[in-house]
Amino acid sequence: KQEVTQIPAALSVPEGENLVLNCSFTDSAIYNLQWFRQDPGKGLTSLLLIQSSQREQTSGRLNASLDKSSGRSTLYIAASQPGDSATYLCALNAGNMLTFGGGTRLMVKP
Amino acid sequence: GAVVSQHPSWVICKSGTSVKIECRSLDFQATTMFWYRQFPKQSLMLMATSNEGSKATYEQGVEKDKFLINHASLTLSTLTVTSAHPEDSSFYICSARAPEGTDTQYFGPGTRLTVL
Repeated sequence: KQEVTQIPAALSVPEGENLVLNCSFTDSAIYNLQWFRQDPGKGLTSLLLIQSSQREQTSGRLNASLDKSSGRSTLYIAASQPGDSATYLCALNAGNMLTFGGGTRLMVKP
Repeated sequence: GAVVSQHPSWVICKSGTSVKIECRSLDFQATTMFWYRQFPKQSLMLMATSNEGSKATYEQGVEKDKFLINHASLTLSTLTVTSAHPEDSSFYICSARAPEGTDTQYFGPGTRLTVL
């Protein structure tokens, strides 16, 4: 059974810092990996989708990498802003279902 | 892009009543929809997979008689929480699988259920 772990569970940084969120998984037989953002009480917003054959995806200040051999993905946020404060979730797609990590709650202080 | 809506966005009900939550794919047909539940400060947990025209597949520990799922059309799936109790209070999120050829899921905005 796929297990997805996100570290750290919570993170507080000053505005402007570059930061890295980590996601590890136990089963490398995946179709793709997604990073989501969730604001309090809201639904999910898809940030980046990395296919199994890809190593990274970039969107604006966000860069996500995937290393299946080590069972890891990272989400890099450059020049963080207070508006980036949210919970970030990674999810592994191994076929017909997604398995979510526990999320990282990010607080970017002005 | 693909849009998924949920209705209602929030609902408060008395213990013992039933509540129906709708999930619609607005601009695409979804043969598969998923229902998730999220408790405060926890991640999403898959409850069931809903396939159009067939019975839903429930995850272990999810009571199928309590959480009734109907996927009668390619654009609509419903989740009915029967005889709701306070412990059913949660954030329910649905997603719809993109058309054939992709594995992307598009998520609805969620429904906040509070059972008094």
